[in-house]
Amino acid sequence: DAKTTQPNSMESNEEEPVHLPCNHSTISGTDYIHWYRQLPSQGPEYVIHGLTSNVNNRMASLAIAEDRKSSTLILHRATLRDAAVYYCILRGSGGSNYKLTFGKGTLLTVNP
Amino acid sequence: ETGVTQTPRHLVMGMTNKKSLKCEQHLGHNAMYWYKQSAKKPLELMFVYSLEERVENNSVPSRFSPECPNSSHLFLHLHTLQPEDSALYLCASSQDWISGANVLTFGAGSRLTVL
Repeated sequence: DAKTTQPNSMESNEEEPVHLPCNHSTISGTDYIHWYRQLPSQGPEYVIHGLTSNVNNRMASLAIAEDRKSSTLILHRATLRDAAVYYCILRGSGGSNYKLTFGKGTLLTVNP
Repeated sequence: ETGVTQTPRHLVMGMTNKKSLKCEQHLGHNAMYWYKQSAKKPLELMFVYSLEERVENNSVPSRFSPECPNSSHLFLHLHTLQPEDSALYLCASSQDWISGANVLTFGAGSRLTVL
């Protein structure tokens, strides 16, 4: 499976933007980049996903590098409720790469 | 009720017990998944079902037995478990299992403790 690399932890202040990086140098042309987050004592929650172009939704923005070997999840104004583990995952279509394989993710701490 | 619902939320069982975890989705999805999350470990995919047919068994011991009677319900039957099987068991669903664009919706999980 194609792998992703994320920092173990990051810290932010409330109401400031947060940029969570993810490296995926072995990404294939059909792999989608997915981001999920997991709040304490809850199941993972979908945040955003994209293939080649940058994406925006009500929760976040996803910036994808032109060579697709890295991406950045952007939380525009962090709140205390955004404190969670954020997972960057590649998911392909068909074959064995359809699996959503979770790594350790980035633990985001938001300071009041 | 909407989303993915898992019951029970907490379960304590002895090693000789037989119990079941239940998952129900009201999203009209065709694929359902079981994941295991042990303490301080990443989520591990256990099983994938598509339209009630198992399409993935990720080398899971036979003491875990999944059942998918219809596309809305998924069970995980547990028997003769070991203490190291204590974990958070998460159910998820998606529109289909093969497309990379598909998004998974997770339940809140069932916290299992094996004594």
